[in-house]
Amino acid sequence: AQSVAQPEDQVNVAEGNPLTVKCTYSVSGNPYLFWYVQYPNRGLQFLLKYITGDNLVKGSYGFEAEFNKSQTSFHLKKPSALVSDSALYFCAVRDSQAAGNKLTFGGGTRVLVKP
Amino acid sequence: GAVVSQHPSRVICKSGTSVKIECRSLDFQATTMFWYRQFPKQSLMLMATSNEGSKATYEQGVEKDKFLINHASLTLSTLTVTSAHPEDSSFYICSWGKGGWNTEAFFGQGTRLTVV
Repeated sequence: AQSVAQPEDQVNVAEGNPLTVKCTYSVSGNPYLFWYVQYPNRGLQFLLKYITGDNLVKGSYGFEAEFNKSQTSFHLKKPSALVSDSALYFCAVRDSQAAGNKLTFGGGTRVLVKP
Repeated sequence: GAVVSQHPSRVICKSGTSVKIECRSLDFQATTMFWYRQFPKQSLMLMATSNEGSKATYEQGVEKDKFLINHASLTLSTLTVTSAHPEDSSFYICSWGKGGWNTEAFFGQGTRLTVV
């Protein structure tokens, strides 16, 4: 079975400081990993994904994520956070060996960037 | 990215009535779509998966007779909450997949349902 864990319910960071949102996963086959962001009362917006290749993936709005197979992690990072980055972030995984092409989401991490 | 339009964004209905939520993919055609439910400050819970031309597959614990899904075409799916009760109040989100394990999903804006 596939699963995702986001160990932090909330991350607080000052504007201009680096931002990291943690994610670990568990799959039977190969992981396909995704990060989404959700603003209040809105659907999810795709940020980036890891399928294969380079472990460092660059995505939208200056975000990047590093795939670490040995630690089964896919942490989201941004070198310099903006107040507008304050939102709810979800990590998601799709297992290559799971039926149904389903995405499994982590519990979400709320990011608060203070001016 | 692809555009998914979900309507309405907010709806308030009385207990016992039915509510229909529409989800359209505006610039692509997709055979698979997903309906999620999200409780406050919680993650998305997959309710059902449907493929165009076939019946939806519901997740365990989701009542198929209460949450009717009609995958009418490659660009339109509807979720009808029948005989709504206050406990059905939630945020419902649709998602279209372009297919393939390595493709991202595209989400609608969500519908905030309040049953009074």
